[in-house]
Amino acid sequence: AQKVTQAQTEISVVEKEDVTLDCVYETRDTTYYLFWYKQPPSGELVFLIRRNSFDEQNEISGRYSWNFQKSTSSFNFTITASQVVDSAVYFCALRGNNRLAFGKGNQVVVIP
Amino acid sequence: GAVVSQHPSWVICKSGTSVKIECRSLDFQATTMFWYRQFPKQSLMLMATSNEGSKATYEQGVEKDKFLINHASLTLSTLTVTSAHPEDSSFYICSAIEFQETQYFGPGTRLLVL
Repeated sequence: AQKVTQAQTEISVVEKEDVTLDCVYETRDTTYYLFWYKQPPSGELVFLIRRNSFDEQNEISGRYSWNFQKSTSSFNFTITASQVVDSAVYFCALRGNNRLAFGKGNQVVVIP
Repeated sequence: GAVVSQHPSWVICKSGTSVKIECRSLDFQATTMFWYRQFPKQSLMLMATSNEGSKATYEQGVEKDKFLINHASLTLSTLTVTSAHPEDSSFYICSAIEFQETQYFGPGTRLLVL
């Protein structure tokens, strides 16, 4: 069975601070995909990144960066210099065996 | 990225009526679509997997006679909530796989049953 754990439920930061969201996963599959999605108050899930299990290269996209460490089964997400528009729920997800398992999500509140 | 649309975005209906929600992949063909349900401040719960031209696969605990799913074409799946009751009020989200196992999500449909 697949499992995704996002331990921090709600995180509040002051604008321009960095925030890191932790994601730990469990799977028995050797091939799997990891994702991060953003869900703003409007409700729509916005795809942010996909990483497959064979690609441990970290990635940076603007103010967003991701750190994938297979040895610790973690796929952490950092927002640098946070902005109010970053306020949303962020979900980490794992796809394997034709199923997408979500974590419980991190509610990020950026205070101006 | 790929675009998935849902219609309607909001539905308010009386108890006992049926509600149909449409999910479309706009710029790609989706042999498989998924229907999720999300309660406030909770994660997404997979209800069923919809396969084009065949019966949907429902998750344990989801009533297939209550939530009818039809995937008649490669770009359209529909979810019908039959005889809706207040406890069916929720946020329903569909998604489809486009490339490399990436699921793209529709904007969701908020259902309120009075």
